[in-house]
Amino acid sequence: AQSVTQLGSHVSVSEGALVLLRCNYSSSVPPYLFWYVQYPNQGLQLLLKYTTGATLVKGINGFEAEFKKSETSFHLTKPSAHMSDAAEYFCAVSEGTGRRALTFGSGTRLQVQP
Amino acid sequence: DADVTQTPRNRITKTGKRIMLECSQTKGHDRMYWYRQDPGLGLRLIYYSFDVKDINKGEISDGYSVSRQAQAKFSLSLESAIPNQTALYFCATSDLTGSHGYTFGSGTRLTVV
Repeated sequence: AQSVTQLGSHVSVSEGALVLLRCNYSSSVPPYLFWYVQYPNQGLQLLLKYTTGATLVKGINGFEAEFKKSETSFHLTKPSAHMSDAAEYFCAVSEGTGRRALTFGSGTRLQVQP
Repeated sequence: DADVTQTPRNRITKTGKRIMLECSQTKGHDRMYWYRQDPGLGLRLIYYSFDVKDINKGEISDGYSVSRQAQAKFSLSLESAIPNQTALYFCATSDLTGSHGYTFGSGTRLTVV
C-alpha cells in the first residue's frame, strides 16, 4: 500500500523567508516521489522528482527536496520565497515497480506575504 | 497544441444526466489516468489504463465508467450525475514506468446542479 501525508494545509511565509513544505509517505517498496505545483485555475506542473540515486533533488524555480528513507520524508524547501511562489503544492508517491498509479497528498496552500 | 487536452473545460449539468469528459494526448504514452480534485482532499484516482486493453478501477470509481478508445483517447463518463460529483477533473498520462512523472491536462470543472 502507498499513502502520502502533507502536514499543514496552509503555510504562510514572508517574501524572502525560507519555504518548508512537509511530506511523509508510506510505501511497501522503494518509492518514486514527486512534488507538483498548481497555480490558480491551472493544471498540475511537475516541480521535481526522486526515483533513484542522489537523495537531494533540485527542481524548477529554485525548489529542492531531500529523500530521507529513515524518516520516510520528502520535504520541499526553497531558501527565499517569492510572491510568485504562492500556489498549492502536492506531494505524490508511487511504488517504484511502476505497477501502481500515483497517490497524492491533500495539498498545502502556500501564501507569501509582502 | 497541448500535450494533454481535456474537453470541455467547464460544464454545468443537471442531476441524473449522463455526461462524458474527454481526454486526448499527443505524448505517445501508453498509460492514462483520471483524477478528481476536491478542496482539502487533493487528487483522488478514479480510473487508470495501462494500455488500450488494460483498465483498472481507482479508489473512487463508483458512479463513473471509462472508455479507452485508442492509445491517445481516454474518456470518463458519469452515467447519472449527482451533486457530490461536482469537482475538478484531471486527465494525466505517463510512460510505462511513471518515473518521469505525469503530464496533466488543464482540467474540466464540472458542476452538477
